Amino acid sequence: AQKITQTQPGMFVQEKEAVTLDCTYDTSDPSYGLFWYKQPSSGEMIFLIYQGSYDQQNATEGRYSLNFQKARKSANLVISASQLGDSAMYFCAMREFNAGKSTFGDGTTLTVKP
Amino acid sequence: DAGVTQSPTHLIKTRGQQVTLRCSPKSGHDTVSWYQQALGQGPQFIFQYYEEEERQRGNFPDRFSGHQFPNYSSELNVNALLLGDSALYLCASSFSPSGNTDTQYFGPGTRLTVL
Repeated sequence: AQKITQTQPGMFVQEKEAVTLDCTYDTSDPSYGLFWYKQPSSGEMIFLIYQGSYDQQNATEGRYSLNFQKARKSANLVISASQLGDSAMYFCAMREFNAGKSTFGDGTTLTVKP
Repeated sequence: DAGVTQSPTHLIKTRGQQVTLRCSPKSGHDTVSWYQQALGQGPQFIFQYYEEEERQRGNFPDRFSGHQFPNYSSELNVNALLLGDSALYLCASSFSPSGNTDTQYFGPGTRLTVL
């Protein structure tokens, strides 16, 4: 079974609007972390936000927030007030701490329209 | 504060050759992980080095090997290159005093093309 599923290959959003990128995960490890990364066309993977499996509150980092629903095994990324520079590929990733393994989804390409 | 650096930026090899990619972790980091990212896909975990030993390994053949030096820098070696090894190779570093829990920061990657 896929450990990380990103069901949206591509998304469009109007500049200044909010957008949600979906991510669902599958693990039996009770201790894990969920990450979102942004990869512009230059190729470098840029860390955006982290949510631990035991964290009680949803993570936020500036315009990025993570909508963590543990029972549904989802960890959606919300980007508020989209900017043209947000256009990039976005990857959801999971680190299973006991197994020590990291798994990435296939990514979502976000295009911000002016 | 220097981030993760990788060299070379680009590399072209032919089938059957061997290649070595290099990574210097972010200052203060002691753990290095390597990933292979094929075009249009997410990164695939190759292995992780901590305290100069391979700590975890993904589903990659023995042709892929690595090394970590006392200064925490790392090398990825790939022997007997195949066309399918063409990809972006990403190095990520983290600080892991208790194991695997810290956030990984990525380098710019090495683009390997096998002809």
